[in-house]
Amino acid sequence: ETGVTQSPTHLIKTRGQQVTLRCSSQSGHNTVSWYQQALGQGPQFIFQYYREEENGRGNFPPRFSGLQFPNYSSELNVNALELDDSALYLCASSLKDRYYNEQFFGPGTRLTVL
Amino acid sequence: AQSVTQLGSHVSVSEGALVLLRCNYSSSVPPYLFWYVQYPNQGLQLLLKYTTGATLVKGINGFEAEFKKSETSFHLTKPSAHMSDAAEYFCAVSEDDDMRFGAGTRLTVKP
Repeated sequence: ETGVTQSPTHLIKTRGQQVTLRCSSQSGHNTVSWYQQALGQGPQFIFQYYREEENGRGNFPPRFSGLQFPNYSSELNVNALELDDSALYLCASSLKDRYYNEQFFGPGTRLTVL
Repeated sequence: AQSVTQLGSHVSVSEGALVLLRCNYSSSVPPYLFWYVQYPNQGLQLLLKYTTGATLVKGINGFEAEFKKSETSFHLTKPSAHMSDAAEYFCAVSEDDDMRFGAGTRLTVKP
């Protein structure tokens, strides 16, 4: 089975710009979660999408938004980029219908905001 | 809301020595608990997980962890460290649909 993939691998943007990160979920999974991992810190939950709808959100401002498509792939959009948005962005997919929600992580997209 | 505390941001052991990485959690319901490993410039790899049943959980690469409800702990151990174990380790707790991670512990293995 195909694992979780993310694109691009690396990205450099300037403050104020907008960025879109992409994630393809593992085959058979219907849920995608996004995390932000700042340098030297643990991942922080941004939000989760289940069957194309947002299904939980962490403490992130509205300029962080997302989409999930019918094939369960997902996008994370960040508007008005700030320097503190520089981080590794991790996507994780899971099958929500199971009794627990084991998440499988992609390799991440490293975003640098200058 | 659930949370995780990892005691010690940096642990250093000699090759062949015992590895002990500490994790304490708080949760209002019986939690699901996880340990992940992250190598430089890579994503997270699941080492082991506790959901229900046996409280001693065995994972990959010789790691294991014990869920102790009375101590709200889920410490990660490995009897004999290998150089390849050098990495960042994250403990995580999940109640519902989001996973909360600790700040991580960097493991260094000295030859």
